[in-house]
Amino acid sequence: NAGVTQTPKFQVLKTGQSMTLQCAQDMNHNSMYWYRQDPGMGLRLIYYSASEGTTDKGEVPNGYNVSRLNKREFSLRLESAAPSQTSVYFCAGRRNTGELFFGEGSRLTVL
Amino acid sequence: LAKTTQPISMDSYEGQEVNITCSHNNIATNDYITWYQQFPSQGPRFIIQGYKTKVTNEVASLFIPADRKSSTLSLPRVSLSDTAVYYCLVVVGNNAGNMLTFGGGTRLMVKP
Repeated sequence: NAGVTQTPKFQVLKTGQSMTLQCAQDMNHNSMYWYRQDPGMGLRLIYYSASEGTTDKGEVPNGYNVSRLNKREFSLRLESAAPSQTSVYFCAGRRNTGELFFGEGSRLTVL
Repeated sequence: LAKTTQPISMDSYEGQEVNITCSHNNIATNDYITWYQQFPSQGPRFIIQGYKTKVTNEVASLFIPADRKSSTLSLPRVSLSDTAVYYCLVVVGNNAGNMLTFGGGTRLMVKP
């Protein structure tokens, strides 16, 4: 039982490159979330998915796209990376009782 | 969404009880309160949640007054390993996928 798994854990990109952060959960969560956390700051919600096939914008969606491929997987895509997107990205799944379970994070550096 | 306000930071010493208060003046009738703990380089970890009065588990207690406009996370006899950031969230209580936003959290430093 891995919980919430994020890949890759580390990534370095050049400005303008694209990439996809993968998130998979084996806890049968209906809802999934993507957050970013800049150094010394709190978490900011990028996108979330209430259920398979649905996605909604969070607080800071610009520059990102998401796909809820199935119940298990929720991916985050950066189409044209910018230095301002250097951050740690966390994916989370939410139990029906409300608790969020987070992955270990993906550290992204954009040069 | 109910906005939350917490102290930015707190200091304590090992063995003391620590109380972190969160204000959520515009909490709605069906909303409940959830607290998370985050260590450096890790994702937040669920600690406790409650709707009213008092909830206790093996880690902490959560006190919610009758008007529910604030809540207090109580950590008994803290140790150095409790040094972390603590976040208060107000969650809409319909079990649907909701927009869950974190505030800045409270940075707790436990000193020897």
